[in-house]
Amino acid sequence: KQEVTQIPAALSVPEGENLVLNCSFTDSAIYNLQWFRQDPGKGLTSLLLIQSSQREQTSGRLNASLDKSSGRSTLYIAASQPGDSATYLCAVNGPGGYNKLIFGAGTRLAVHP
Amino acid sequence: ETGVTQSPTHLIKTRGQQVTLRCSSQSGHNTVSWYQQALGQGPQFIFQYYREEENGRGNFPPRFSGLQFPNYSSELNVNALELDDSALYLCASSPLGGNGETQYFGPGTRLLVL
Repeated sequence: KQEVTQIPAALSVPEGENLVLNCSFTDSAIYNLQWFRQDPGKGLTSLLLIQSSQREQTSGRLNASLDKSSGRSTLYIAASQPGDSATYLCAVNGPGGYNKLIFGAGTRLAVHP
Repeated sequence: ETGVTQSPTHLIKTRGQQVTLRCSSQSGHNTVSWYQQALGQGPQFIFQYYREEENGRGNFPPRFSGLQFPNYSSELNVNALELDDSALYLCASSPLGGNGETQYFGPGTRLLVL
């Protein structure tokens, strides 16, 4: 049974810091891994999608890496800003015969001025 | 292009009642998945519909049921509501129903069961 774990559960940093969020999963037979952002009480915004054949994806100040064999992914946020404050969720797709995402519990990030 | 929409945004029910939540998928998408997100947790997969048929189900009891319509919109029905059903319910659509496709999420419906 696929399980996804995110560390740390919460993080509070001053503005401008570079930071790393971690995600691990137990079954490496995934189709892809996706990082989402969720603001309080809101839906999910997709940040980055990494296919199983890829090693990393970048979008602006965000970089996500995937090491499928070790069951790990990291989300790197450069030069953090107060607007980055949110919960960041990692989700893997697979294994399985249909399109189902399995989520971690998230990392709650607070960036203070 | 219209994104995924859900209605209502908020809902309050009492234990034992029934509720119906609605989702309109993104234009051109024929697959809809439903997720339940309890406070402080990640979303959990409830079930998925592809071309009006259930195409996979998570670990939820039969009182959670769904429908998908010919226009690919979908409903989530929950009977005999329990206090633990209080959660954010998220709908996600994807284009073709294949494995590994990107899913696009709606804003969610916040359900409170008293």
